[in-house]
Amino acid sequence: NAGVTQTPKFQVLKTGQSMTLQCAQDMNHNSMYWYRQDPGMGLRLIYYSASEGTTDKGEVPNGYNVSRLNKREFSLRLESAAPSQTSVYFCASTRDSPSYEQYFGPGTRLTVT
Amino acid sequence: GDSVTQMEGPVTLSEEAFLTINCTYTATGYPSLFWYVQYPGEGLQLLLKATKADDKGSNKGFEATYRKETTSFHLEKGSVQVSDSAVYFCALSDRTGNQFYFGTGTSLTVIP
Repeated sequence: NAGVTQTPKFQVLKTGQSMTLQCAQDMNHNSMYWYRQDPGMGLRLIYYSASEGTTDKGEVPNGYNVSRLNKREFSLRLESAAPSQTSVYFCASTRDSPSYEQYFGPGTRLTVT
Repeated sequence: GDSVTQMEGPVTLSEEAFLTINCTYTATGYPSLFWYVQYPGEGLQLLLKATKADDKGSNKGFEATYRKETTSFHLEKGSVQVSDSAVYFCALSDRTGNQFYFGTGTSLTVIP
């Protein structure tokens, strides 16, 4: 039972390069999320998708784009990476009502130089 | 808007000590409340949850009670172990389940 998977686990980019972080879940959840985690700031929501075909901005969407490719997959794209985007990125999916508990992937550690 | 405030860390305790990590929230309506745990190098794992006022969530000896009157969801454990060393996050979801808000995390280290 894989749960939520993310690739890659680690990535180093130069300023201005682009990349896509991949996320997939096998729990048939409707909602999926992308967060970033920075020291002392907890988790901050970048984008979420409440269902296939829909996406919405979270707290810190600038510099990112997302695609909900199908019910299983939700990707995060950095078009032109900046050092401020150095962070650990987590994908999550949510069990539906009534508990809405989230299931997290193992994370992608991204460094932008 | 909705938010979660939790106790600043780091917290260091001796094995078998009593643990409390405070968490308070601000929310409209009636959110669901959660505690997540993160071990080094891993993603967050759900520790326990409560979906309505006066509910008590419990798991692995940890407990937290949803207190609407004090807007709190404090995490407690009667006797911590070295294996409990991790970062603990308090979180809430709004009633739509579309928005989640996390506290900044509290790092716990338990020494033998």
